[in-house]
Amino acid sequence: DVKVTQSSRYLVKRTGEKVFLECVQDMDHENMFWYRQDPGLGLRLIYFSYDVKMKEKGDIPEGYSVSREKKERFSLILESASTNQTSMYLCASTRDMNTEAFFGQGTRLTVV
Amino acid sequence: GQSLEQPSEVTAVEGAIVQINCTYQTSGFYGLSWYQQHDGGAPTFLSYNALDGLEETGRFSSFLSRSDSYGYLLLQELQMKDSASYFCAVRDHGYGGATNKLIFGTGTLLAVQP
Repeated sequence: DVKVTQSSRYLVKRTGEKVFLECVQDMDHENMFWYRQDPGLGLRLIYFSYDVKMKEKGDIPEGYSVSREKKERFSLILESASTNQTSMYLCASTRDMNTEAFFGQGTRLTVV
Repeated sequence: GQSLEQPSEVTAVEGAIVQINCTYQTSGFYGLSWYQQHDGGAPTFLSYNALDGLEETGRFSSFLSRSDSYGYLLLQELQMKDSASYFCAVRDHGYGGATNKLIFGTGTLLAVQP
């Protein structure tokens, strides 16, 4: 089975902290994505990566950055956490653009 | 801009048939997918339509009309376990058109009642 693993299920951070969310997939997928999910807003794309060291902004990249140094790992970085970044964060991966996306279980981040 | 429109909520009874619609507006289009998400869980893939027409997988079917920028998910013989959120998703051009990104609608919460 394809597995996408996010490092934390729940996280509480303070305003201004630098926050790292880690995502690892074990199926050699080319494409990886970070979304945030908020009630009534669905899944909004933050950043995605189509190859090692390659990244592209999604629809709401402000306040975030990403890193993909290895194919299996895609990290989301909140440079200076703010309360409006309190959300559920979901990582996903796909083998190619015509196949299904596999999601991690999500990280519920609370910024206080 | 880009948008995927879905109804926010749908309610139906066990055994019934329900249709969840999705209309999309994107700069590119490479197929329409549907995902199911139970409360507290991760989204899971249900179906994918690259071409016009109906795709059937068990109790679930998905339809696409590219000329109308429209698709729907049809759930038959509803069961209580089908209560979940359902998202349509579209592959759209990335920045500059060189890559593809996967974007999701706002989701439809389906409540199945006994």
